[in-house]
Amino acid sequence: KAGVTQTPRYLIKTRGQQVTLSCSPISGHRSVSWYQQTPGQGLQFLFEYFSETQRNKGNFPGRFSGRQFSNSRSEMNVSTLELGDSALYLCASSPWTGGTEAFFGQGTRLTVV
Amino acid sequence: GIQVEQSPPDLILQEGANSTLQCNFSDSVNNLQWFHQNPWGQLINLFYIPSGTKQNGRLSATTVATERYSLLYISSSQTTDSGVYFCAVGTDLSGTYKYIFGTGTRLKVLA
Repeated sequence: KAGVTQTPRYLIKTRGQQVTLSCSPISGHRSVSWYQQTPGQGLQFLFEYFSETQRNKGNFPGRFSGRQFSNSRSEMNVSTLELGDSALYLCASSPWTGGTEAFFGQGTRLTVV
Repeated sequence: GIQVEQSPPDLILQEGANSTLQCNFSDSVNNLQWFHQNPWGQLINLFYIPSGTKQNGRLSATTVATERYSLLYISSSQTTDSGVYFCAVGTDLSGTYKYIFGTGTRLKVLA
């Protein structure tokens, strides 16, 4: 069974640009969550999508958004990039929402210059 | 909100030694997972353990939900065990469900 796939693995962007990251969950899983990891703030929850609906959102500005498609694949978008958005972005796949085991992808390392 | 604390923050062991990592949380939780983050950043699932005890090879974990802590035991450590270990608690205290991560324990195993 294929694991969680995130693309791209690495990305370098310039301040002010926007970026889109992709996450394909484990086959059959319907929940996708996104997390940001930085040295200063650790791992922080961004948002969760289940059945194409955003179920939950963390404490991040509106520049961070996402969506989920009918095949459960998810994308997150960050607009007007800031230097502080440089981070490892991790996607988690779960069979269902609200308490099932989460499986993480390898992450996308975003560097904003 | 709920606080998740891990101890110790750093740990250096000689190969073959045993260790115990601790995770304390400040409120009741729906579930708990332990992860090992490899050098490339991926979080590898170790245990999904809302309560009770589980074992997988040299690793075992115990969660006592009523006392709000979980322990990860590593026996006969190997250099490949090096990395950062995170516990994450699942909670819907805010009305919607999410995982909250601890700050991690950085383990280094010396040959």
